[in-house]
Amino acid sequence: EIVLTQSPGTLSLSPGERATLSCRASQSVSSSFLAWYQQRRGQPPRLLMYGTSSRATGIPDRFSGSGSGTEFTLTISRLEPEDFAVYYCQQYGGSLTFGGGTKVEI
Amino acid sequence: QVQVQESGPGLVKPSETLSLTCTVSGGSISSSYWNWIRQSPGKGLEWIGYISFNGNTNYNPSLKSRATISVDTSKNQFSLNLTSVTAADTAVYYCASKPLWFGHVDVWGQGTTVTVSS
Repeated sequence: EIVLTQSPGTLSLSPGERATLSCRASQSVSSSFLAWYQQRRGQPPRLLMYGTSSRATGIPDRFSGSGSGTEFTLTISRLEPEDFAVYYCQQYGGSLTFGGGTKVEI
Repeated sequence: QVQVQESGPGLVKPSETLSLTCTVSGGSISSSYWNWIRQSPGKGLEWIGYISFNGNTNYNPSLKSRATISVDTSKNQFSLNLTSVTAADTAVYYCASKPLWFGHVDVWGQGTTVTVSS
């Protein structure tokens, strides 16, 4: 089973700042099958990125994804108030696994 | 636009079986893999398993011995049974769809809270 480790656990930033979230896999992941989700309090997760760098429908271009192999990154170029949430990475290699999450807080 | 909605009891007694149903609307049940994912209070996301329209299943190894996912294409529904539950199974349970040829989950239900308690 592929284990995804996200860092940092919590990211304390201000609106307008840049956020860089990391997702490290215990073994190589196909870049076609690496996704990111945003979860606001009390809501289900929302798909942000799939295939490492493709934005889901309606996701603003301040969100971007990159990486390959075992190292992947989600970048939010300028934080908006609604971006303060928890972010999860997820991989698919026959089975799905999620990272432990990064909380982006003010 | 496909939508999914969970239903089932909010309270289950320890050692009993948790049973949930997900109703799919706005699309064909043959177009995706249908997943159950849960989130314990204050914790991260845990994939339970998925089923295809023709009944092929795949489960999280940590839950495989207790979880069964089934599909009823005539009702556009799929279901989860989780046996021998304990307090550790208390969670929000989500049903969700994964497109056939992709690795991500694109549609999530609102989730249903299940508490295991006597």
